Amino acid sequence: EIVLTQSPGTLSLSPGERATLSCRASQSVSSSYLAWYQQKPGQAPRLLIYGASSRATGIPDRFSGSGSGTDFTLTISRLEPEDFAVYYCQQYGSSLGGLTFGGGTKVEIK
Amino acid sequence: QVQLVESGGGVVQPGRSLRLSCAASGFTFSSYGMHWVRQAPGKGLEWVAVIWYDGSNKYYADSVKGRFTISRDNSKNTLYLQMNSLRAEDTAVYYCARDSAQLPALDVWGQGTTVTVSS
Repeated sequence: EIVLTQSPGTLSLSPGERATLSCRASQSVSSSYLAWYQQKPGQAPRLLIYGASSRATGIPDRFSGSGSGTDFTLTISRLEPEDFAVYYCQQYGSSLGGLTFGGGTKVEIK
Repeated sequence: QVQLVESGGGVVQPGRSLRLSCAASGFTFSSYGMHWVRQAPGKGLEWVAVIWYDGSNKYYADSVKGRFTISRDNSKNTLYLQMNSLRAEDTAVYYCARDSAQLPALDVWGQGTTVTVSS
């Protein structure tokens, strides 16, 4: 089973700053099956990035994804007030149809 | 608009059963695989189960295998999760989510329904 480890656990930044979130897999993952989600308190997760680097419909271009193999990154170029949230990476696991989520990174206001 | 609405959550004693429902609208439900994902209080997301678009295949997380059953009724545009032998550690918000195989990713989520297992 592939384990996704996200770092840091918490990122304290100010609006306008750049955020760089890491997702590391315990073994190589197909980029096609790596996604990122945003979750705000009391809300359901929202798809941000799929296929490691493609933005979902309606997602601003300040969000970008990159990486391959075991190392993936979500970058928020300039943080807006609404971007402070928890972010999860996710991949389709080895068991057919199964999913794995990373533990999440909380981006908080400094 | 595309929407998923969960229902059926509540407070239940350990060892008892509960059935969750997820009503889909605004898209061709029978064309999509569907997942259940849960989130324990203050914790991260945990995948629970998936069912293929036609119900032909179902897969479960080890933590619920043998106790939970995912099913769907495409004529009613509804997804279900039958939860038996509930444990305190099953306490969570349960989300249903659509699997967009074209992306692939979970591109539509419901608002969640809360299950609390407590005596």
